[in-house]
Amino acid sequence: DQQVKQNSPSLSVQEGRISILNCDYTNSMFDYFLWYKKYPAEGPTFLISISSIKDKNEDGRFTVFLNKSAKHLSLHIVPSQPGDSAVYFCAANTGTASKLTFGTGTRLQVTL
Amino acid sequence: DGGITQSPKYLFRKEGQNVTLSCEQNLNHDAMYWYRQDPGQGLRLIYYSQIVNDFQKGDIAEGYSVSREKKESFPLTVTSAQKNPTAFYLCATSQNSPLHFGNGTRLTVT
Repeated sequence: DQQVKQNSPSLSVQEGRISILNCDYTNSMFDYFLWYKKYPAEGPTFLISISSIKDKNEDGRFTVFLNKSAKHLSLHIVPSQPGDSAVYFCAANTGTASKLTFGTGTRLQVTL
Repeated sequence: DGGITQSPKYLFRKEGQNVTLSCEQNLNHDAMYWYRQDPGQGLRLIYYSQIVNDFQKGDIAEGYSVSREKKESFPLTVTSAQKNPTAFYLCATSQNSPLHFGNGTRLTVT
């Protein structure tokens, strides 16, 4: 049973435009959400997180939005850059940032 | 240079052989984790340890074993009982913080 779902396996966006990556979850106990970025043959790196007491968190070009009623979160990247091309994983947990449940990932390609 | 070292980067074994993947950290983190990544399935938790000499099964522990004798080290043994051992294995650490990952070991069993 996939508790964290990323329904879009891939996304292609032009450089300079907005990238929107989506994530849905089913476990209502989840209250801490994270996004990780992963390049091939490397480990994921932490990008941004949000607690369920907030509905938005921003860090530079990256913004995460949380809609608790819909059990949905999204990552916005503005403006998108070629170096953003990677696989993005959504992850969730209850209470802490450890022992995470991950989604299946979305491969983002930023084209020139 | 603080971080997590996973070695080797690529590992090849014959079916029926046990193999141990190394994970060493110098971040002084208490918690350590093993995940595996398969195409289209994201990252799945195998085992985790929140303190030395203690560890718990994750979601897919069958066919794997671990030990945590030292804070710095959390080796993972893939046994012959693991039915689909070929995968990308990721070690991670945490200290009341988001997981910090190593660069992984790609294991191929033929």
